[in-house]
Amino acid sequence: NAGVMQNPRHLVRRRGQEARLRCSPMKGHSHVYWYRQLPEEGLKFMVYLQKENIIDESGMPKERFSAEFPKEGPSILRIQQVVRGDSAAYFCASSPGLAYDTQYFGPGTRLTVL
Amino acid sequence: EDKVVQSPLSLVVHEGDTVTLNCSYEVTNFRSLLWYKQEKKAPTFLFMLTSSGIEKKSGRLSSILDKKELFSILNITATQTGDSAVYLCAVEDQGGSQGNLIFGKGTKLSVKP
Repeated sequence: NAGVMQNPRHLVRRRGQEARLRCSPMKGHSHVYWYRQLPEEGLKFMVYLQKENIIDESGMPKERFSAEFPKEGPSILRIQQVVRGDSAAYFCASSPGLAYDTQYFGPGTRLTVL
Repeated sequence: EDKVVQSPLSLVVHEGDTVTLNCSYEVTNFRSLLWYKQEKKAPTFLFMLTSSGIEKKSGRLSSILDKKELFSILNITATQTGDSAVYLCAVEDQGGSQGNLIFGKGTKLSVKP
């Protein structure tokens, strides 16, 4: 019973490049949440998605960041024109049914922007 | 393989009870252990523990770390219905400049009036 999977685990980008982070929820889970952990800080909520729908993106920067959770395939967090301040660990969590139900966290993707 | 195991997975108590939540871990290069409370949206940070035997306290919540036995406990005394939440334990290892957080599955606490 595979848990939440994220890839890549480590991603290095130069300023101005695009970063794509993938999250495959646990089997049977239809809710996905993305969080960002900045150095020395806690987890910051970014976006909550269900299949083909963005439910809550109140924590996501208005520019350069976007997220999707298509009918087929993993959820993608996309960061365009990355800057050094985007360097962080990005965690994905999934839950089975009710909104904000118990969330299971993935291992995270560590993004480093050079 | 690094892992974090929380127990119990769920717990139902009555107001006024005291509860103890457990978190055991196996990581290669331990840096810190963190406890979070999750109700909605982002987990709320509770404690960060880095040293063995030093209790951290915040109101009715307290936590302690045992680096020899590789576990931590989170205590909540005189529980209230507002304590109902999922409590997450995460361990940070030394990998990379941002560290590496490994989450347990959480303990779902329900406090009945």
